[in-house]
Amino acid sequence: KQEVTQIPAALSVPEGENLVLNCSFTDSAIYNLQWFRQDPGKGLTSLLLIQSSQREQTSGRLNASLDKSSGRSTLYIAASQPGDSATYLCAAPGNYGQNFVFGPGTRLSVLP
Amino acid sequence: EAGVAQSPRYKIIEKRQSVAFWCNPISGHATLYWYQQILGQGPKLLIQFQNNGVVDDSQLPKDRFSAERLKGVDSTLKIQPAKLEDSAVYLCASSFGTGRDLNTEAFFGQGTRLTVV
Repeated sequence: KQEVTQIPAALSVPEGENLVLNCSFTDSAIYNLQWFRQDPGKGLTSLLLIQSSQREQTSGRLNASLDKSSGRSTLYIAASQPGDSATYLCAAPGNYGQNFVFGPGTRLSVLP
Repeated sequence: EAGVAQSPRYKIIEKRQSVAFWCNPISGHATLYWYQQILGQGPKLLIQFQNNGVVDDSQLPKDRFSAERLKGVDSTLKIQPAKLEDSAVYLCASSFGTGRDLNTEAFFGQGTRLTVV
């Protein structure tokens, strides 16, 4: 059974810092992994999808890496801005790859 | 491209009442998911459809929750009777394929916030 954890649970940084969010999963037989952003009271917005054959995926100031052998993924945010404040969730395939299992999220606050 | 549509956005009901949520996925997406998100937690899968067939409903409390996806497009999720612990955000998502597909990306609606009093 796939289990996903995220560290840290919450993070508060001053504007301009580079930061790393961590995601761990127990079943490494995955086809892909997805990172999402969730603003308060809103749904989930897809940020990045990393295929199992890829090691990294980039979108603007965001870079996600995937290491299947160690069961880990990291989301790197460069030059953080107050607008980056949100909860970041990672999701890995579960149930033999049929659907997505979510971690609890990392709540990020970027202070101006 | 239109996103995943959900309604209503908010709902307040008393315990033991019934409630229904509606979801319209992105056009052409065969897979539809209903997730429950309790405050402070990550979303938990309730049920997954592939076209109009159920793929996974192992975590759906079947004594009170039901869902259907008629004609493989729109879906409704119903709770009857509701309990206080059902207070949560109910998220609908859709994807072209399943998690087994390398480039499958899940897209979520805005969610329905349910408060049971």
